[in-house]
Amino acid sequence: EPEVTQTPSHQVTQMGQEVILRCVPISNHLYFYWYRQILGQKVEFLVSFYNNEISEKSEIFDDQFSVERPDGSNFTLKIRSTKLEDSAMYFCASSEAGGGREQYFGPGTRLTVT
Amino acid sequence: GQNIDQPTEMTATEGAIVQINCTYQTSGFNGLFWYQQHAGEAPTFLSYNVLDGLEEKGRFSSFLSRSKGYSYLLLKELQMKDSASYLCAASGSARQLTFGSGTQLTVLP
Repeated sequence: EPEVTQTPSHQVTQMGQEVILRCVPISNHLYFYWYRQILGQKVEFLVSFYNNEISEKSEIFDDQFSVERPDGSNFTLKIRSTKLEDSAMYFCASSEAGGGREQYFGPGTRLTVT
Repeated sequence: GQNIDQPTEMTATEGAIVQINCTYQTSGFNGLFWYQQHAGEAPTFLSYNVLDGLEEKGRFSSFLSRSKGYSYLLLKELQMKDSASYLCAASGSARQLTFGSGTQLTVLP
């Protein structure tokens, strides 16, 4: 069964450094998303991406964040100048075009900022 | 703004039926989702409702009333492996999901 994959599974970085989180969505999906979940808190929407552009972003997704689809398979989230409060699990999700609406989540990348 | 409310915790016995309620207030509503999340894992899709009524899928059913901003997830014949957090999420106009805080269900033997 096709699945969303994410790398790395765990990333440790120092405050102020830049990180890139990588995702490979399901191959026939056209809508892509990033969510984050701080430990013990709810899943929060960051950004949605369709047709090579951002379609919606939350208040969390400020200038520190950017997304890119550099080729036909990868979808990346870049966090510039990381802060301690960026420590969280970051989930990538994708959904197909047309009637399919369920979003399939990847296993997540645990980001720890020290 | 977006607001999703669901109970924090519920406990039920193996073999029983449990109903997890969710109320929502969102703009640009495009459907209501239920996800299951085990500790340390990603959410997994359970159900989707966009029209009023009941959707049944094996041991799981989900109900939606758009006029009342209300949904519930019904789990039948509970099994120990159903112990998890159940997340109610409303889909917005750009398909983004706004999640509730989750209901931690504990199934007792």
